[in-house]
Amino acid sequence: SQKIEQNSEALNIQEGKTATLTCNYTNYSPAYLQWYRQDPGRGPVFLLLIRENEKEKRKERLKVTFDTTLKQSLFHITASQPADSATYLCALDTGRRALTFGSGTRLQVQP
Amino acid sequence: NAGVTQTPKFQVLKTGQSMTLQCAQDMNHNSMYWYRQDPGMGLRLIYYSASEGTTDKGEVPNGYNVSRLNKREFSLRLESAAPSQTSVYFCASRGGQWGEAFFGQGTRLTVV
Repeated sequence: SQKIEQNSEALNIQEGKTATLTCNYTNYSPAYLQWYRQDPGRGPVFLLLIRENEKEKRKERLKVTFDTTLKQSLFHITASQPADSATYLCALDTGRRALTFGSGTRLQVQP
Repeated sequence: NAGVTQTPKFQVLKTGQSMTLQCAQDMNHNSMYWYRQDPGMGLRLIYYSASEGTTDKGEVPNGYNVSRLNKREFSLRLESAAPSQTSVYFCASRGGQWGEAFFGQGTRLTVV
């Protein structure tokens, strides 16, 4: 079956460290992959898009990589802060403009 | 600049009742989506509309119907609510082929 998998266990890190979240997918060949942030009680908010021909994309303290051979994207937050604590979701177009999300990984940054 | 507006924000239904969740966007986006989110789970796609006049099933369409009323509005209907439909529902819209999705504030639905 087609799947988008993210680590369901929460990731706990210390402030100032780099957080790395993983998104794996099977049976898709997406032209791009998106990452979103979701805070409790709110809808997701878009962070970054990376295209299949881009190996890496950066935005301030965020970095995303995309390996179409491994079918994997990594999402990094450097110099993490308690305000970065949230759930992070990856999403990709699974055909005919259907935007499908992974289950998300909850990040907790300890001060 | 309202973005994506969902109504209502909260709703309690009895099993077997029907209701329609409303969604409107003011960004002239072609694509609109309905998702549900259950505790500890990500967003699951119920139905979507890639463009005005078209609708398609997502991962979990059973028990739901949708209407793309015009380019701005996309409604989700529960004909006979069941406790399994207790969830938070999000509407989203997206413009362009690779555009980011913009989400509404969500509707928290409880079916008792």
